[in-house]
Amino acid sequence: AQKITQTQPGMFVQEKEAVTLDCTYDTSDQSYGLFWYKQPSSGEMIFLIYQGSYDEQNATEGRYSLNFQKARKSANLVISASQLGDSAMYFCAMREGFTGNQFYFGTGTSLTVIP
Amino acid sequence: KAGVTQTPRYLIKTRGQQVTLSCSPISGHRSVSWYQQTPGQGLQFLFEYFSETQRNKGNFPGRFSGRQFSNSRSEMNVSTLELGDSALYLCASSLESQGPKAYGYTFGSGTRLTVV
Repeated sequence: AQKITQTQPGMFVQEKEAVTLDCTYDTSDQSYGLFWYKQPSSGEMIFLIYQGSYDEQNATEGRYSLNFQKARKSANLVISASQLGDSAMYFCAMREGFTGNQFYFGTGTSLTVIP
Repeated sequence: KAGVTQTPRYLIKTRGQQVTLSCSPISGHRSVSWYQQTPGQGLQFLFEYFSETQRNKGNFPGRFSGRQFSNSRSEMNVSTLELGDSALYLCASSLESQGPKAYGYTFGSGTRLTVV
């Protein structure tokens, strides 16, 4: 079974509007971390936001927020006030447990911001 | 502060050849991980090194190997290249890579390998 599922291969959003990128995960560990990364065409993976499984509050980092619904095993990324520079691939990822030392990535969502 | 440096940025090799990719981590980072990114398989974990020891390995054939030096720089080697090895190879470094949070985990810009 896939550990991370991103069901939106491509998304379009109008500049200055908000957009939600979906992510569901699968793990039996109680301790895990959920991440979102942005990958522009240059290839570098840019860290956006982190949510720990024990965090009670949804994570926020500037225009990025993570809608964490533990019972549903979902960790959706919300980007507010979209900018043209937000056009990129977005990956949801997970790390498991206290000895886990690798990321499991989803297949990504390509976001295009329309002026 | 310098980021994670991967060299070369682009590489073209012929089937059957071998290739070595290099990754210089952020100063002070002792963990280096490698990932392969392809359009078909997405991002897949190759291996992780910490203080010159391989701690974890992904599901790749033995043609893929790596090592880490005492200064934490890491190299990845692929022998007997196949067309399917064409990919973006990403390296990431961190202070300590175990656990759910991955403190300071930073990716490089990758090496794009094309096998012809």
